[in-house]
Amino acid sequence: DAKTTQPPSMDCAEGRAANLPCNHSTISGNEYVYWYRQIHSQGPQYIIHGLKNNETNEMASLIITEDRKSSTLILPHATLRDTAVYYCIVHGAGNMLTFGGGTRLMVKP
Amino acid sequence: KAGVTQTPRYLIKTRGQQVTLSCSPISGHRSVSWYQQTPGQGLQFLFEYFSETQRNKGNFPGRFSGRQFSNSRSEMNVSTLELGDSALYLCASSLAWTGSSYNEQFFGPGTRLTVL
Repeated sequence: DAKTTQPPSMDCAEGRAANLPCNHSTISGNEYVYWYRQIHSQGPQYIIHGLKNNETNEMASLIITEDRKSSTLILPHATLRDTAVYYCIVHGAGNMLTFGGGTRLMVKP
Repeated sequence: KAGVTQTPRYLIKTRGQQVTLSCSPISGHRSVSWYQQTPGQGLQFLFEYFSETQRNKGNFPGRFSGRQFSNSRSEMNVSTLELGDSALYLCASSLAWTGSSYNEQFFGPGTRLTVL
């Protein structure tokens, strides 16, 4: 799996959009970009994934650059409950996920 | 639909003992993966089982083993426990990997193992 680089921590004001960046410059053509988050003391939760097109679901939007070397997860209106560690994972086949250090997002009132 | 359940939620053992953790996947899910989470190493993949067969294995010593039953429930076992095995052990279930699309992995709440 390609390596990902994320900032270790970020702050966001409640109600504002949270934009979490991820670099994955060595991504290969068949690898997807996945985002999971882990709220304190819980198991990780799937958020969204994409291959090369931008994706949106009820939780978030995923913007992938045209060269696929980086992506941004957008939480449009962050709430206190979005405080968590967010993991960007690049992965191809199979169910074996490689988690990096993630970004600790703190949403502040 | 019930989520992934793991038992027990908390466990305290002493060095040298062995431990067995259990995971019940979401109904219909045939793939079960195990992960170890520690403050120092983060989340690391242990192994994956599908149809009672180990399909993938992470870089862990042979003291870590697992199995899957015909009803897809899975157990993992750690023998000769060491202090460094203290961790949160997470189980994740998903539909079978088809090779053409991603199957979301659903994680359980984890079992927190403390080795004294």
